Amino acid sequence: GAVVSQHPSRVICKSGTSVKIECRSLDFQATTMFWYRQFPKKSLMLMATSNEGSKATYEQGVEKDKFLINHASLTLSTLTVTSAHPEDSSFYICSAPLAGGSNEQFFGPGTRLTVL
Amino acid sequence: AQSVAQPEDQVNVAEGNPLTVKCTYSVSGNPYLFWYVQYPNRGLQFLLKYITGDNLVKGSYGFEAEFNKSQTSFHLKKPSALVSDSALYFCAVSPSNDYKLSFGAGTTVTVRA
Repeated sequence: GAVVSQHPSRVICKSGTSVKIECRSLDFQATTMFWYRQFPKKSLMLMATSNEGSKATYEQGVEKDKFLINHASLTLSTLTVTSAHPEDSSFYICSAPLAGGSNEQFFGPGTRLTVL
Repeated sequence: AQSVAQPEDQVNVAEGNPLTVKCTYSVSGNPYLFWYVQYPNRGLQFLLKYITGDNLVKGSYGFEAEFNKSQTSFHLKKPSALVSDSALYFCAVSPSNDYKLSFGAGTTVTVRA
């Protein structure tokens, strides 16, 4: 089956630094990927849609200058949390849909970000 | 706009008993419906989906769900729950012409031995 990986799985950083999270589709190409944020025991909040070769589409209330998204290739999207603050601490999950009409998405294992 | 409601934050059942996790949805046009399960500090694992065809969908780990168009529901069921089924379950919907998923708030299932 289709596999999506994320790196790193866990990161701890100091306030004010930037952190990059990678999302890769390992055995299929993804022109679109999605980035979610999840708070403890809460639902997934869609942050943005990453589009290969064009700008990401951000959901209402998500700061695009804060959360930079780059979809560099058909298998890689990156999310950079710039000037991170403790309130950015969260579980970030990416997903990629498999082309073919079923809209089924495959999710990465998530990245736990802790900002001190 | 599409939305999903999972009316129960928590479901507790004894091992061996039937398990039901409720989900209702709202979407324009034909819905694509999904159930995912999440274990602590992990990503989402796909359980099953409804696209078209039979209203009763069978998925992974003995789970099934029934699509009910008149009640706009897609409840998840398992005839005999296991302790290992204890996890966080999410229902999700997308319209047929869009990849974007909307998730319910999630239901924590606890199966006691």
